[in-house]
Amino acid sequence: DQQVKQNSPSLSVQEGRISILNCDYTNSMFDYFLWYKKYPAEGPTFLISISSIKDKNEDGRFTVFLNKSAKHLSLHIVPSQPGDSAVYFCAASSNNAGNMLTFGGGTRLMVKP
Amino acid sequence: EADIYQTPRYLVIGTGKKITLECSQTMGHDKMYWYQQDPGMELHLIHYSYGVNSTEKGDLSSESTVSRIRTEHFPLTLESARPSHTSQYLCASGDRIYGYTFGSGTRLTVV
Repeated sequence: DQQVKQNSPSLSVQEGRISILNCDYTNSMFDYFLWYKKYPAEGPTFLISISSIKDKNEDGRFTVFLNKSAKHLSLHIVPSQPGDSAVYFCAASSNNAGNMLTFGGGTRLMVKP
Repeated sequence: EADIYQTPRYLVIGTGKKITLECSQTMGHDKMYWYQQDPGMELHLIHYSYGVNSTEKGDLSSESTVSRIRTEHFPLTLESARPSHTSQYLCASGDRIYGYTFGSGTRLTVV
């Protein structure tokens, strides 16, 4: 049973517009969430994170929103750039599961020039 | 500059061969992980370690084995490679708060 789900396998956005990537989770014990970006043939790189005590965290063009009641988080990229084209993974963890991150299936973002 | 190193980046090997994928980190992290990812698919945890002489199997059953004799080194071994082992193998270290740092991965092809 997947505890972290990214229901959109792919997303296409025009350069300069906003990209919104979504992630849903089922485990109410999750209290820390992260987003990773992955290019082909490379390892994922950390983008941004959010604790469950917050509902928003912003870092430059990247903002993560957390809706605990809906068990939903989203990553907003604005403005989107062609270099943002990659696969984005959300990940979640809980204090009672050691240091394990549970990853979603990923969403492939394509930003068209 | 990468703080976690994986070698080789790419490997093509014949069926039945024994291979070891290397992973080293310079960050002093106690916790290290191996993930397997097929193209377009999710990341699957196959092994993890919470410190020297500690290794555990992950969520995805794997025929590989790991060892952790030194904090900085977490190699993965396949005793007899098969075509079904063709995949990308990603090593990571870190914790849930500061996040994992991933290596560049090893793309393994077994022919």
